[in-house]
Amino acid sequence: EAGVAQSPRYKIIEKRQSVAFWCNPISGHATLYWYQQILGQGPKLLIQFQNNGVVDDSQLPKDRFSAERLKGVDSTLKIQPAKLEDSAVYLCASSLGQFSSYEQYFGPGTRLTVT
Amino acid sequence: KNQVEQSPQSLIILEGKNCTLQCNYTVSPFSNLRWYKQDTGRGPVSLTIMTFSENTKSNGRYTATLDADTKQSSLHITASQLSDSASYICVVTLQTGANNLFFGTGTRLTVIP
Repeated sequence: EAGVAQSPRYKIIEKRQSVAFWCNPISGHATLYWYQQILGQGPKLLIQFQNNGVVDDSQLPKDRFSAERLKGVDSTLKIQPAKLEDSAVYLCASSLGQFSSYEQYFGPGTRLTVT
Repeated sequence: KNQVEQSPQSLIILEGKNCTLQCNYTVSPFSNLRWYKQDTGRGPVSLTIMTFSENTKSNGRYTATLDADTKQSSLHITASQLSDSASYICVVTLQTGANNLFFGTGTRLTVIP
């Protein structure tokens, strides 16, 4: 079974530039998550999709971050404009459903460096 | 406030030795607790999952314990190997309809030859 795919793996941009990350979840997984993991910390949930609808985006900085999941499969996360504090690893995860019994499977992440 | 705390922050052990990592949580209502292993540059991978009624779960050389009364969990690694070097993250899930996870900050384990 193929895992969660993410691209790019690494990205370096200057502050105030824009960047986009892509995620392809495990086939058949209805729920998709984007996390931000700052160095030395655990992941923080940014947004959760159930199919192509948003379940939770309470911790997404909506003035600069946006995400979409068209057709309920792939998803993109965009930052515009980036700030220095956005430097982090952005993890995508997917699960069969949104209930707590379903395990989340994580992708390898995209490491973003903002200079 | 729902929190997950882990200790120690980092740990260095010799190859072949055992070690135990700790996790304390205040998440309530509790659904389940997972231990994840995160290799450098990779996403977290689940090692064990325990529900309220389970107090131990093994996965090879990894054994997790759970005391739901004291809200404590531990991950014991037996006969450590160099490949065990990674961050180990304790994750507690709320007993709600949404898959609401609370992550600890992790323990960074380094196994040296």
